[in-house]
Amino acid sequence: GAGVSQSPSNKVTEKGKDVELRCDPISGHTALYWYRQRLGQGLEFLIYFQGNSAPDKSGLPSDRFSAERTGESVSTLTIQRTQQEDSAVYLCASSAGLTHTDTQYFGPGTRLTVL
Amino acid sequence: KQEVTQIPAALSVPEGENLVLNCSFTDSAIYNLQWFRQDPGKGLTSLLLIQSSQREQTSGRLNASLDKSSGRSTLYIAASQPGDSATYLCAVDNQAGTALIFGKGTTLSVSS
Repeated sequence: GAGVSQSPSNKVTEKGKDVELRCDPISGHTALYWYRQRLGQGLEFLIYFQGNSAPDKSGLPSDRFSAERTGESVSTLTIQRTQQEDSAVYLCASSAGLTHTDTQYFGPGTRLTVL
Repeated sequence: KQEVTQIPAALSVPEGENLVLNCSFTDSAIYNLQWFRQDPGKGLTSLLLIQSSQREQTSGRLNASLDKSSGRSTLYIAASQPGDSATYLCAVDNQAGTALIFGKGTTLSVSS
């Protein structure tokens, strides 16, 4: 079956603009996660969804970052008033969400460059 | 706060060698540990998941071990091939099960 997909694959924007990144999880997966990977850094957790609710938003770095999920499916990560330090690869993952030991399946990521 | 460390940061070996990648974590209260592979420009591929009650998992030429009490895991790759060249990431859950905490990875280069 289809894996996790993300769009766009690449996004170049100017400082101060808003951007939206999209994630389509594996069908039937109730858990969805956003991470980011800045150059030379490890993956950083941003936000976790269970269904359409986000019980853990602890990784969002500032109030410029927000995310939503609808229909227990597609999720959108929005970054307002982008800054150069927001440049990173943004990765989405999904899992069955049934237990703590479910494997997370990752999408290919969106590479965001803020000029 | 859980921290995950991977050693070495980079490794170059000739084809055919057996090799070991190391991962350590500071808080032993985990549910599971996962090893991932990341190829340039691509997402992560899950290689092995070890539950906290398990000691090891095997898949083909890969064997991962877990010593939860000492906060260590190793990924053993047998008979390495050029196609194994990638960055290998180790991750543990954050106890709440809402996120994975990753190490910075080991970048492996296997030359033919």
